[in-house]
Amino acid sequence: GAVVSQHPSRVICKSGTSVKIECRSLDFQATTMFWYRQFPKQSLMLMATSNEGSKATYEQGVEKDKFLINHASLTLSTLTVTSAHPEDSSFYICSAKESVNTGELFFGEGSRLTVL
Amino acid sequence: AQSVTQLGSHVSVSEGALVLLRCNYSSSVPPYLFWYVQYPNQGLQLLLKYTTGATLVKGINGFEAEFKKSETSFHLTKPSAHMSDAAEYFCAVEGSSNTGKLIFGQGTTLQVKP
Repeated sequence: GAVVSQHPSRVICKSGTSVKIECRSLDFQATTMFWYRQFPKQSLMLMATSNEGSKATYEQGVEKDKFLINHASLTLSTLTVTSAHPEDSSFYICSAKESVNTGELFFGEGSRLTVL
Repeated sequence: AQSVTQLGSHVSVSEGALVLLRCNYSSSVPPYLFWYVQYPNQGLQLLLKYTTGATLVKGINGFEAEFKKSETSFHLTKPSAHMSDAAEYFCAVEGSSNTGKLIFGQGTTLQVKP
């Protein structure tokens, strides 16, 4: 079946540094991807919609300068957490919507960010 | 706008017992409804989804859910719980525009006791 890969699965960084997380659709094209954030024992909160070749659409309350999203190809979206702080520590999950045939939605395995 | 409420953040059942996880939704347009399962430190796996047509939807691992428009509900059931069913379960809603933008409920932790 279709697979969405996230990399890295785990990352630890120092406060003030920037971290990039990749979301890649391995065997299908996805013009639209989504980024979610999940705090421990909580639900998934939609952060933004990533659109191939155009600017991302951010949900209310999400700082676009803090969470930079780039969707440069039909199979790759990246989320960069800039000047990370401990409160940015979270589980980040992406999803990708197949754009050619089925329109099915597939989720990545998630990336756990820990900011020290 | 859409929203989802999952009643009960924690459900505990005995192995072999009926599983019932409750989900109510709010949507201004005909909804698409989903149930996902999440194991610790993993992504989401789709259990089943309702878009149109038959209101009783069968999914993987013996789970099923029934869309009841009059009750705005989409409860998840399984006749007999297995130890491997212990996980976090999320109900989600999407407007019928099929954008892929899902709104999730708070989640329900299912505990299965031997």
